[in-house]
This record gives sequence, C-alpha cells and structure tokens, in this order.
Amino acid sequence: DTGVSQNPRHKITKRGQNVTFRCDPISEHNRLYWYRQTLGQGPEFLTYFQNEAQLEKSRLLSDRFSAERPKGSFSTLEIQRTEQGDSAMYLCASSVGNTGGKETQYFGPGTRLLVL
Amino acid sequence: RKEVEQDPGPFNVPEGATVAFNCTYSNSASQSFFWYRQDCRKEPKLLMSVYSSGNEDGRFTAQLNRASQYISLLIRDSKLSDSATYLCVVNTNAGKSTFGDGTTLTVKP
Repeated sequence: DTGVSQNPRHKITKRGQNVTFRCDPISEHNRLYWYRQTLGQGPEFLTYFQNEAQLEKSRLLSDRFSAERPKGSFSTLEIQRTEQGDSAMYLCASSVGNTGGKETQYFGPGTRLLVL
Repeated sequence: RKEVEQDPGPFNVPEGATVAFNCTYSNSASQSFFWYRQDCRKEPKLLMSVYSSGNEDGRFTAQLNRASQYISLLIRDSKLSDSATYLCVVNTNAGKSTFGDGTTLTVKP
C-alpha cells in the first residue's frame, strides 16, 4: 500500500497519560499535515511540515502537543497529560509541496483517540 | 465567525435530483480551493479542485466567485453512492488548509 498510513488506528488512554501517534506519508511527498477532527466538525489544522521543518503551528495547539518530523519522512504527534477534551480523530495528510498551496492532500485513515 | 462556512444540511434528496452546496470564506488572501468528500468514519478524499473559470467533472460542477468569496458545488443526477459529507477547503499561498464543517448529503431511492 503506497498511501498515507497512521498508527495506531485506535487508542484508549486514561486522563493524564501521554500518547504518541505516528504518520508515514506517501514517500515522494515533502509536506505533511496534522489535523484533529471531532464529530460534526471539519478537520481542524494543527501543524504542518515541509520536509523536516515545522512551518506553521495552530494557535489552538496547546503546549501539551508536539510534533516532529526528524528526517523529513515519518512524523510523530505527541500529546502530554491528555485531557478528555483531546478525544478526537487525529488525521495526517501529505502532499507534494512548492505549488503555492494548490497541491492535493492525501489523508491517512486517522488515529481515533479516546481519553477516559 | 468561522473562516470557512458551509450549510451543514442535512440535504435529503431522491435519486436523480440536482443538489447544490455553498461555501463562503473570509480570508481574501486565499489562493486555492477544493471540495473533499468524507464518508462516515473515513478519511476525507479529494473530489475536485475549484478553478476561477469554474470546472466540471462528470456530474459535478464547481464554481468560484472571488469577489463574493463564495464557492459552490453542484451535483446532477444524484446517485445513492453520492451520500457523504462534502467539505469545502480553502488554502493560503503558504499551504495552510482551512476546512469547513461539511454539508451532509443523503440520497434516497
């Protein structure tokens, strides 16, 4: 499968625990995006990378959230001290960048997080 | 006010009907526009890009009005398989994407 993959697909954790999600983009894509989606809402932008550089981070993202893409390939999203409000679907997408924002984003299947 | 606004619906239409969805955006610096489709509990998938001159792909037609900051999607001859949530997406030149909350369509036999 050459699409975007995400692991794990589901995560249940207790409030206060740390969780880490992984995203493997399409191999030739240099842009990688993280979104959060809750029921009835569209995907909400969290952050994105061009290669290994994190170019933008949403103001809505608290200090408990951190994302990395150390070698410009896969990325991880960590949430520290999880709260019940963090329960959501976390989506990763990738694209071929450098086209002035016109590129198509391809989404992974998402990681569904439930914080008890 | 949200940056990208859509009528949430739901739109319930019979097979064969024509249905139109609207989307407005507030950032005048927006450069590119898309419609994505999202099936229940699945990831979004690109339906079509939206070009200034308007564009058509089979039964789907997208229009852009930059002056009014308005995007539309028209679906003709609706099929049962068109039932989904349709997300309007607006990109800045820097590549940041802003999604609307989607419009839900149910096509009934």
